[in-house]
Amino acid sequence: EVQLVESGGGSVQPGGSLRLSCAASGFSFSVYWMAWVRQAPGKGLEWLALINPSGSESGSVDSVSGRFSVSRDNGANSLYLQKDILRADDTAVYYCARGKDGSFDFWGQGTLVTVPS
Amino acid sequence: QSALTQPPSASGSPGQSLTISCTGTNSDVGSYNYVSWYQHHPGKAPKLLIFEVTKRPSGVPDRFSGSKSGNTASLTVSGLQADDEADYYCCSYTGGYSYVFGTGTKVTVL
Repeated sequence: EVQLVESGGGSVQPGGSLRLSCAASGFSFSVYWMAWVRQAPGKGLEWLALINPSGSESGSVDSVSGRFSVSRDNGANSLYLQKDILRADDTAVYYCARGKDGSFDFWGQGTLVTVPS
Repeated sequence: QSALTQPPSASGSPGQSLTISCTGTNSDVGSYNYVSWYQHHPGKAPKLLIFEVTKRPSGVPDRFSGSKSGNTASLTVSGLQADDEADYYCCSYTGGYSYVFGTGTKVTVL
């Protein structure tokens, strides 16, 4: 069974940093693209970042480029999102998702990050 | 990259059909057949309904169907059921390892 479990969320002061993790199991993690998506309170889904199977290529949305970086450890079956210079509008539930055929076919339950204003 | 445009809400009675539109540009929906649709019940993980414009993953009922014309994609839900009440999002590849989601549509089953 495919499972994605996010962790690392919590409350962090503005300007602070946080590293989210996503533990993958039930599939060959090293052959899949992986992504991060977030949902702010009362808002819609926002795609954040994508990384290729080897970790050599990635992309991110302009609003977080330079502040967030995505990485992965295929040996540990884990995906990461390093978030720096956090702002109040980064408050959201952060999901990791598996990429397949130009879509995201499995998602984790999400982890909540709160940045007080 | 601006979010794809979806109607904020849609509704229908059980057994009826409804269609949700997703309007982008010729830089996203109009250029790629990597349009997908997701169902999101609050507090749960989003669920993939449609990928590559028209394809359904294993386990998704054929009541859900997708299409695209030009810069607009659509999701049709036939035979509405109470459990279809959820938020629905479209998503498109935009090139250069990037994607964009739609603004979301809240579906109410009357």
